[in-house]
Amino acid sequence: GIQVEQSPPDLILQEGANSTLRCNFSDSVNNLQWFHQNPWGQLINLFYIPSGTKQNGRLSATTVATERYSLLYISSSQTTDSGVYFCAGRGEYGNKLVFGAGTILRVKS
Amino acid sequence: DAGVIQSPRHEVTEMGQEVTLRCKPISGHNSLFWYRQTMMRGLELLIYFNNNVPIDDSGMPEDRFSAKMPNASFSTLKIQPSEPRDSAVYFCASTSRTGGTDTQYFGPGTRLTVL
Repeated sequence: GIQVEQSPPDLILQEGANSTLRCNFSDSVNNLQWFHQNPWGQLINLFYIPSGTKQNGRLSATTVATERYSLLYISSSQTTDSGVYFCAGRGEYGNKLVFGAGTILRVKS
Repeated sequence: DAGVIQSPRHEVTEMGQEVTLRCKPISGHNSLFWYRQTMMRGLELLIYFNNNVPIDDSGMPEDRFSAKMPNASFSTLKIQPSEPRDSAVYFCASTSRTGGTDTQYFGPGTRLTVL
């Protein structure tokens, strides 16, 4: 099956700073998604982004499918952005989403 | 819509007892997934259903685990007998695979502690 690698594994930001999270895939994927798990454990879908760029407020994501990676940008970070960010994708011939290990983000005020 | 609903939210039980976790997917979604999350192994897919039919249960750790989906609005994950190593957060997620997108929506999870 495909392997999903996320970087960095953890990140500490001062409120207001920007950050870029990366997700690399070992093989071609479709159905690429980004999730945020808040400190209370709730998993929220941020983006469904198999290719191209999408923006939602201070967050945006870009997937370059031909190069097997995706980036999540967080601008003007806030303490409420803290938590774990996961990316996940489905292999070209797979049936299920495979999740990365996540990036732990802590935003300090 | 209320989103994906899971119950109970917390469960504490003793080793050897039967545990049943419940999930109600989002109305109209035709795929349902059970995940387990632990610090050591991260998020793991246990099993998923399409149109109430189990498609891939290769993630189910052993015969002590079973899952059913008797209708489009209800699924259960059962552990019998439970063991301390089953302690984890169990998530249910649903999606609609029509229309070309496959965005998964997660429930709040059930935190299981087996003593």
